[in-house]
Amino acid sequence: DIQMTQSPSTLSASVGDRVTITCRASQSISSWLAWYQQKPGKAPKLLIYKASSLESGVPSRFSGSGSGTEFTLTISSLQPDDFATYYCQQYNSFLTFGQGTRLEIK
Amino acid sequence: QVQLVQSGAEVKKPGSSVKVSCKASGGTFSSYAISWVRQAPGQGLEWMGGIIPIFGTANYAQKFQGRVTITADESTSTAYMELSSLRSEDTAVYYCARATVVPAAFSPALCYFDYWGQGTLVTVSS
Repeated sequence: DIQMTQSPSTLSASVGDRVTITCRASQSISSWLAWYQQKPGKAPKLLIYKASSLESGVPSRFSGSGSGTEFTLTISSLQPDDFATYYCQQYNSFLTFGQGTRLEIK
Repeated sequence: QVQLVQSGAEVKKPGSSVKVSCKASGGTFSSYAISWVRQAPGQGLEWMGGIIPIFGTANYAQKFQGRVTITADESTSTAYMELSSLRSEDTAVYYCARATVVPAAFSPALCYFDYWGQGTLVTVSS
């Protein structure tokens, strides 16, 4: 299985901050990476697919980049609604998820 | 619009089985991939397996091989996940998720998910 490692596990930030979450794959996954946002008690929500394609309806402050083994999710200016847990997921080979990054209010 | 509606919460004894359903509305059920993803309390997301109804063959994560069965009924646009030999570690919220974009390899293991069900809590306790 391809292992996905996210960093940091927890991130404290303030409204208006620019934040970046990193996801590393144990082997190359080309651009076959998605990012999800999950709030407590809710199902995950797709934000980004194919590493950098923004899902319809997702605010443009979210962006994704990377290829191969290293990827990032960036939120350009944090809004109150963005405090949640974020997961990366590879779908290059028998899909797997990262362990999650909890974004909390500083 | 697309909706995935799952069956209600279950409480099961260790060693028993559970079957969770996921009814889809909106869109063409048979052509998309449906997967099951679980989340233990306070933990991350774990893919269990998936199916593309029009092909009927399911793919399973190695961890669950032999213990999980995923099926789909095209006539009712409903997918099912049955997990057997339940143990306490199987206590989790189980989600169904749909992939609109199906890869050229037609494998549900190579998808990302744009629609999710609301989740079904399965509690395994003696």
